[in-house]
Amino acid sequence: AQSVTQLDSHVSVSEGTPVLLRCNYSSSYSPSLFWYVQHPNKGLQLLLKYTSAATLVKGINGFEAEFKKSETSFHLTKPSAHMSDAAEYFCVVSDQGYQKVTFGIGTKLQVIP
Amino acid sequence: KAGVTQTPRYLIKTRGQQVTLSCSPISGHRSVSWYQQTPGQGLQFLFEYFSETQRNKGNFPGRFSGRQFSNSRSEMNVSTLELGDSALYLCASSLAQRGFATQYFGPGTRLLVL
Repeated sequence: AQSVTQLDSHVSVSEGTPVLLRCNYSSSYSPSLFWYVQHPNKGLQLLLKYTSAATLVKGINGFEAEFKKSETSFHLTKPSAHMSDAAEYFCVVSDQGYQKVTFGIGTKLQVIP
Repeated sequence: KAGVTQTPRYLIKTRGQQVTLSCSPISGHRSVSWYQQTPGQGLQFLFEYFSETQRNKGNFPGRFSGRQFSNSRSEMNVSTLELGDSALYLCASSLAQRGFATQYFGPGTRLLVL
C-alpha cells in the first residue's frame, strides 16, 4: 500500500522569500515521487520527478526537491518565491507497479507582494 | 507536439442523466488515465487504459466507466448522474508500458450536475 501526506494545506510566503512545501510518503516498494503544480482553472503541470537516480532533483521554474529515504520525505523548495508561483501543489507517489498512483491532498501556496 | 486535449471543457447536466467525456492523448502515448478532482476529496484516480485495455481501476462505483480506442483516444462515461459527481475530470497520458512514467495532463472537463 502507498500513501502520501502533504503536511500543510496552505502556505503563505512573501515574494522573494524561500518556499518549503512538505510531503511525506509511504510505499512498500521503491517509489517514484513527483511534484505537480496546478494554476487556477488549469490542468496539472509536472514540476519534477524522482525515480531512484540522484536524491536531489531539480525541476522547472527554480524548484527542487530532495528525496530522503530515512525520513520518507520529498519536500519541495525554492530559494525565492515569485508572484507567479501562487498555485496549488500536489505531491504524488507511485510504486513501481502499473500506473498505481496516489495524489496528496494539495498545498495552496499564496505569495504576498 | 500538441498536448492532451479534453472535450468538452464545461458541461451542465441534471441528476439521472448520463455524460461522456473525451480525451485525446499526446501523439505516441498509449496510456490514458482519468482522475476526478473535487474540493473535498482532492484528486482521485478513476482508471487507466493502455492499448485499449483497462489496466488499473480506482474505487469508484460501476456508474463510472471508460474505454480506449485503437488510436489511444479515450472516453469516460458516467451514468445516472448524482449531485456528488460535480467535479473537474482530468485526463493524463503517458508513454508507460510498465511502471510509472511521467503523466501529462489535459486542462480538464468541469462537470456540474444540477
